Amino acid sequence: GQQVQQSPASLVLQEGENAELQCNFSSTATQLQWFYQSPGGSLVSLLSNPSGTKHTGRLTSTTVTKERRSSLHISSSQTTDSGTYLCAISSNTNKVVFGTGTRLQVLP
Amino acid sequence: DMKVTQMPRYLIKRMGENVLLECGQDMSHETMYWYRQDPGLGLQLIYISYDVDSNSEGDIPKGYRVSRKKREHFSLILDSAKTNQTSVYFCASSLTGTYAEQFFGPGTRLTVL
Repeated sequence: GQQVQQSPASLVLQEGENAELQCNFSSTATQLQWFYQSPGGSLVSLLSNPSGTKHTGRLTSTTVTKERRSSLHISSSQTTDSGTYLCAISSNTNKVVFGTGTRLQVLP
Repeated sequence: DMKVTQMPRYLIKRMGENVLLECGQDMSHETMYWYRQDPGLGLQLIYISYDVDSNSEGDIPKGYRVSRKKREHFSLILDSAKTNQTSVYFCASSLTGTYAEQFFGPGTRLTVL
């Protein structure tokens, strides 16, 4: 079945630095979502990006479908960006497989 | 306002008791999901529902059952809860289709003593 690998597992930045998060998946994906989860919180959808490049605010996601990888770039990180970033892949069945996430800590 | 709600938000039960977790959505989404999230394991799909009375097992259905009698409402039932079912449970919904995006509820933290 579909497997989703995220890297790095954790990342510590100083405020203002940029972050690059990676998501690699094993099978064809029809949908790819990036989620943010605050400590003890729910999942908030950041970007839906099955292919190409999408921007929203300080976030840019680039998905290369043929290479089965996606990245999430966070520019000018802020302390409020701290939390876990999850990549989720779905195929034709509507079943969704999540990666185990990248835990980001942004220091003031 | 598009929303997925979950009740209760926190629940403590004793082993062997029955548990009912409720989920609602106001977006008329056909597809709804139940996940559990445990440290180190990430999110695991328990059940998926494609519409009323059209439910399918996910990756870890053992010990759980679901009920969907109305499109906007999806319940997760634990008959005779076990201590290893202590977890955070998330409900999600989406339109049915290839490019559907998921929307998540706030989660229910269940502790089984």
